[in-house]
Amino acid sequence: GQNIDQPTEMTATEGAIVQINCTYQTSGFNGLFWYQQHAGEAPTFLSYNVLDGLEEKGRFSSFLSRSKGYSYLLLKELQMKDSASYLCAVSPDNYGQNFVFGPGTRLSVLP
Amino acid sequence: KAGVTQTPRYLIKTRGQQVTLSCSPISGHRSVSWYQQTPGQGLQFLFEYFSETQRNKGNFPGRFSGRQFSNSRSEMNVSTLELGDSALYLCASSLAGGYGDEQFFGPGTRLTVL
Repeated sequence: GQNIDQPTEMTATEGAIVQINCTYQTSGFNGLFWYQQHAGEAPTFLSYNVLDGLEEKGRFSSFLSRSKGYSYLLLKELQMKDSASYLCAVSPDNYGQNFVFGPGTRLSVLP
Repeated sequence: KAGVTQTPRYLIKTRGQQVTLSCSPISGHRSVSWYQQTPGQGLQFLFEYFSETQRNKGNFPGRFSGRQFSNSRSEMNVSTLELGDSALYLCASSLAGGYGDEQFFGPGTRLTVL
């Protein structure tokens, strides 16, 4: 089966750092994606990890440990506009786009 | 470069009817995937089309079907609508659908079944 877990909700303060965790158990693994989705809008791509380690992209970083089935998204210098849902998705096959998505973490950034 | 477009944006139907949703991928993208998003189940994969062929299929009943045309545009059809089909239907496109290919999502079609 396919299973991805994320915390349902998180709250943080503007300017702070927040870490959103994701654990997964899938039939295969060919990469993990993080997407951001603002209320009423389409998901937008944030990051992709296929090898263990940290990928940094501006204020956003994503980490992967394949042996532990674990990833996290790190958001630094939080801004009000970062209030959104963050979706973790795994590509279980070596071809095709049948992503398995986690339930999403709704992040609220408070002033 | 234009993004993924979906039509219509909003749709209201009654139980038992059928509906067709349309998706135009980013120019040059050949893979189109469809997802259903609901508050309770999150984003769930419906199917993926590549070069006019269904390449992957999720765990949805046969009432959900789709197709892709030679210009990569895709349609999905839901027959005999049920109340539980009310959801946001998202279409996503990628270049070739290989692993690591980023998916670009359209704005979605919000379907309400009464």
